[in-house]
Amino acid sequence: DARVTQTPRHKVTEMGQEVTMRCQPILGHNTVFWYRQTMMQGLELLAYFRNRAPLDDSGMPKDRFSAEMPDATLATLKIQPSEPRDSAVYFCASGLVRTSGTYEQYFGPGTRLTVT
Amino acid sequence: KNQVEQSPQSLIILEGKNCTLQCNYTVSPFSNLRWYKQDTGRGPVSLTIMTFSENTKSNGRYTATLDADTKQSSLHITASQLSDSASYICVVSAFTTGTYKYIFGTGTRLKVLA
Repeated sequence: DARVTQTPRHKVTEMGQEVTMRCQPILGHNTVFWYRQTMMQGLELLAYFRNRAPLDDSGMPKDRFSAEMPDATLATLKIQPSEPRDSAVYFCASGLVRTSGTYEQYFGPGTRLTVT
Repeated sequence: KNQVEQSPQSLIILEGKNCTLQCNYTVSPFSNLRWYKQDTGRGPVSLTIMTFSENTKSNGRYTATLDADTKQSSLHITASQLSDSASYICVVSAFTTGTYKYIFGTGTRLKVLA
């Protein structure tokens, strides 16, 4: 039963520290998404990749956030330096985009980040 | 401005009853509309995806409708079960300048009581 995995599941850190979240997409999926969810804002798209290339990162604060896909089995989201307002659940999702353009997204369990 | 509005914000129903959740959007150019179910503490799970030409799509007890003219969608849940208690999120995507933009509703929180 293929699924998206994320590590860590929970992270508590102090303001100013670097945070790295990792995601393993479903094998064979060509598109990977990073989302952030808070009670106030709901679900927000931060960035997404197609075939490991960044397609859109307009939802991401560029000064402190960075997203990469070093290889097809790993996506990372890094925050440096972290701030209390970054506290949220960060979801990774993957999908296989076909020529029709419509595809399913499969979400990971999320990383709950708390910045104190 | 691209927006997705969902109503009601929260809903409580008795087990076995039907309910309908609403999603109104002002997104252009429209590409597709998705409904997700999100259980507490878990990632969203896709229920349906609808393109411009589709009016209705079912997934078990879930039936989504789309009226592209009025820019409205609904998610109908038949014979609700306790396990339907979750948040339901409507997401509309627009394809523009070679990339997809995703606009999220804030969700409807459904509680099904025994």
